[in-house]
Amino acid sequence: KAGVTQTPRYLIKTRGQQVTLSCSPISGHRSVSWYQQTPGQGLQFLFEYFSETQRNKGNFPGRFSGRQFSNSRSEMNVSTLELGDSALYLCASSLSAGGYEQYFGPGTRLTVT
Amino acid sequence: EDKVVQSPLSLVVHEGDTVTLNCSYEVTNFRSLLWYKQEKKAPTFLFMLTSSGIEKKSGRLSSILDKKELFSILNITATQTGDSAVYLCAVLNRDDKIIFGKGTRLHILP
Repeated sequence: KAGVTQTPRYLIKTRGQQVTLSCSPISGHRSVSWYQQTPGQGLQFLFEYFSETQRNKGNFPGRFSGRQFSNSRSEMNVSTLELGDSALYLCASSLSAGGYEQYFGPGTRLTVT
Repeated sequence: EDKVVQSPLSLVVHEGDTVTLNCSYEVTNFRSLLWYKQEKKAPTFLFMLTSSGIEKKSGRLSSILDKKELFSILNITATQTGDSAVYLCAVLNRDDKIIFGKGTRLHILP
């Protein structure tokens, strides 16, 4: 069974631009969660989607948004990029909503210059 | 504010040693505690603990939760170089929100 895939793996953007990251969950998994990981803050929860609906949201500004499609694939969008948005963005999928026993993807490394 | 604190932040030991990693938490409406291993990019799930005093074991790794004192430990016995990684502790509350600690970076010397 294929694992969680994320595209692109690396991305360089400039301040003020926007970016869209993609995540394909493990086949059959309906929950997708997104995380931001930085050296200073560690791994922080962004949001969780289940059956195309946002179930939960972390403490991030409205510039961070996401959506989930009917095939459970999810996208995350960050608008008006700031230098502090440079991070590893991880997505994780699980069979059901709730966030435990998640399977993580390899991440997208975003650098904002 | 909910928080999860892991200690030590980093640890260097020799192969064959036993290590204990700590995780303490202050989280409202606690539901479960999770341990992950992060080697390069993707964290991999190790354990989920919900009840106090019940040890979860997988090979050389084991973990236990103390809900009265609000902490968990992860033990690794007979460490191997392949155990080198960042170990993440996270707590899930009843609103299904997950809070991660900053991790313990473990390095095993051959």
